[in-house]
Amino acid sequence: EAQLVETGGGSIRPGGSLRLSCAASGFDVSTSYMTWVRQAPGKGLEWISLLFSDGTTYYADSVRGRFTISRDNSRNTVYLQMDSLTAEDTAVYFCARSQSGSAYFPYFFDQWGLGSLVAVSS
Amino acid sequence: QSALTQPPSASGSPGQSVTISCTGTSNDVGGFNFVSWYQQRPGKAPQLIIYEVTRRPSGVPDRFSASKSGNTASLTVSGLQAEDEADYYCNSYTGRSNLGVFGTGTKVTVL
Repeated sequence: EAQLVETGGGSIRPGGSLRLSCAASGFDVSTSYMTWVRQAPGKGLEWISLLFSDGTTYYADSVRGRFTISRDNSRNTVYLQMDSLTAEDTAVYFCARSQSGSAYFPYFFDQWGLGSLVAVSS
Repeated sequence: QSALTQPPSASGSPGQSVTISCTGTSNDVGGFNFVSWYQQRPGKAPQLIIYEVTRRPSGVPDRFSASKSGNTASLTVSGLQAEDEADYYCNSYTGRSNLGVFGTGTKVTVL
């Protein structure tokens, strides 16, 4: 059974950095579309990052240049390095596996982790 | 890319049906047959319930159905049960090399 477990969240000052980890089991992250989706408190979902099997990455405008998605195939783990954090980055961060189905680009998410809370505050 | 528009809330009594709309533009919902829906119970991760507009993953009850007309997609939950009380989000493909866009979310209450 596929499973994703996020770790690394916590409280951080504005301007600081944090790295989230997402350990996968039951499938291989190196051959999957892996993503990060976040949800600010009381708000909706926002897709922020995507990693292809060939290493190509995509980012939402809100995090481009500050966040970096990567993976370690040997650990079957995906990471989200978050730099220059602001209060607007406060959210639960979900790791998810994305699928393309019949589309030319992944667009839906069939496996989700439980999420990791990141709180940015002075 | 702006969020897709969903009604903030919807409700129904047990056994009744509730339909949630998800309105976008020709650049997302209206332009492609790639809409997905998610159920998120309080404090939990979202769960995929519909993809490619109408398809249900294995294990999702057939009480959940969906459709699309023009720029608006819809999710119908028939035979409402207490366990269906949750937030529901739509999501649409927006073209190659673009991250998709989520809806604003709808809270479904079972009266």
